[in-house]
Amino acid sequence: GQQLNQSPQSMFIQEGEDVSMNCTSSSIFNTWLWYKQDPGEGPVLLIALYKAGELTSNGRLTAQFGITRKDSFLNISASIPSDVGIYFCAGHPTANSNSGYALNFGKGTSLLVTP
Amino acid sequence: DTGVSQNPRHKITKRGQNVTFRCDPISEHNRLYWYRQTLGQGPEFLTYFQNEAQLEKSRLLSDRFSAERPKGSFSTLEIQRTEQGDSAMYLCASTDDSGNEQFFGPGTRLTVL
Repeated sequence: GQQLNQSPQSMFIQEGEDVSMNCTSSSIFNTWLWYKQDPGEGPVLLIALYKAGELTSNGRLTAQFGITRKDSFLNISASIPSDVGIYFCAGHPTANSNSGYALNFGKGTSLLVTP
Repeated sequence: DTGVSQNPRHKITKRGQNVTFRCDPISEHNRLYWYRQTLGQGPEFLTYFQNEAQLEKSRLLSDRFSAERPKGSFSTLEIQRTEQGDSAMYLCASTDDSGNEQFFGPGTRLTVL
């Protein structure tokens, strides 16, 4: 599948700080999804984005679908210890429009939050 | 709990043995997906069902792997003659016909000794 590049690979921050991470692709995506995964568990859907330029919030989380449709970012405001985990971007590339919507994932951003 | 469930959560097996995993999707979801995740990587697509029909397989799904969804509800993933390289987390996800928001189960962690 199309490679998604996530950055940064890892982040180590203090509680209360804001966090920003992003995801880029060389090809156009129809949908961008952001997931959080805790150790030993499956990914949990945080935010779904469907339109270029769309900005969507879920509590302290905000994500945007890039205008070029090749990128997305996720912001976490006022981080807390339970935000610790690995954050994955995922999406449906337009090239796979007939494929049943199998998701392409990035390699994740690992977030550590100290109290 | 009406989320996606997977069993077993952990499986340890010896090389060469066969293993089978089960996934129960969210009840009203027609689409079911299997993914594999190795350490430090995101999930990688294996195969996809719409109802009972297996409509897509990735190149990762070797001939030792077989998946079924006989009644369009739960699905099984079988790996025959396991190899150490099969060690991974196997994730199942389901979605409705829009195919947009996939909800994942907790996964089955396979360790092949």
